[in-house]
Amino acid sequence: AQSVTQLGSHVSVSEGALVLLRCNYSSSVPPYLFWYVQYPNQGLQLLLKYTTGATLVKGINGFEAEFKKSETSFHLTKPSAHMSDAAEYFCAVSERNYGQNFVFGPGTRLSVLP
Amino acid sequence: NAGVMQNPRHLVRRRGQEARLRCSPMKGHSHVYWYRQLPEEGLKFMVYLQKENIIDESGMPKERFSAEFPKEGPSILRIQQVVRGDSAAYFCASSPSPGQGASGYTFGSGTRLTVV
Repeated sequence: AQSVTQLGSHVSVSEGALVLLRCNYSSSVPPYLFWYVQYPNQGLQLLLKYTTGATLVKGINGFEAEFKKSETSFHLTKPSAHMSDAAEYFCAVSERNYGQNFVFGPGTRLSVLP
Repeated sequence: NAGVMQNPRHLVRRRGQEARLRCSPMKGHSHVYWYRQLPEEGLKFMVYLQKENIIDESGMPKERFSAEFPKEGPSILRIQQVVRGDSAAYFCASSPSPGQGASGYTFGSGTRLTVV
């Protein structure tokens, strides 16, 4: 069975500071890994995804994540936080070759302080 | 190219009433997934449907909840005899096919159900 844990339900950073949101997963098969962002009262928007190949994945809005198999991690980073980055971020895992039944983490709420 | 359309955006129901949530997938997508997001929690899988078929309903409560995706028209998530614990945001997502797991889902903006 798959599972996702996100360390820290709430993370606060200052504007311009590094953003680091942690995600660890468990999967019995090689996983697909995703980060989604949810702005207030909106649906989820795909930030980036890892499928195969390069383990450092770049996404939209300056975010990137690195797949580390040995650590079963897929942490999300951004060098410099912007006020508009304040949102809820969800890490998700899906079994390779199966698009259905994503398993989502509980989410991390990012606050950006001026 | 419209995205995944969900309506209504907000729905208020009294305890015991029925709630109907609609989802129109993206053009060209024939696979629909429903997720529920309880307050302060992540999304939980409910059901996966293809046109006219329920493929996986392992996340659906055994009673009061049902889903369909008819040949014509949107997918419908129906909750009968709603209770306060049903208050949540319900999200629909669509994909072109399960083999397209690499493309992820496209989510709708959700329906926020409040049971009073």
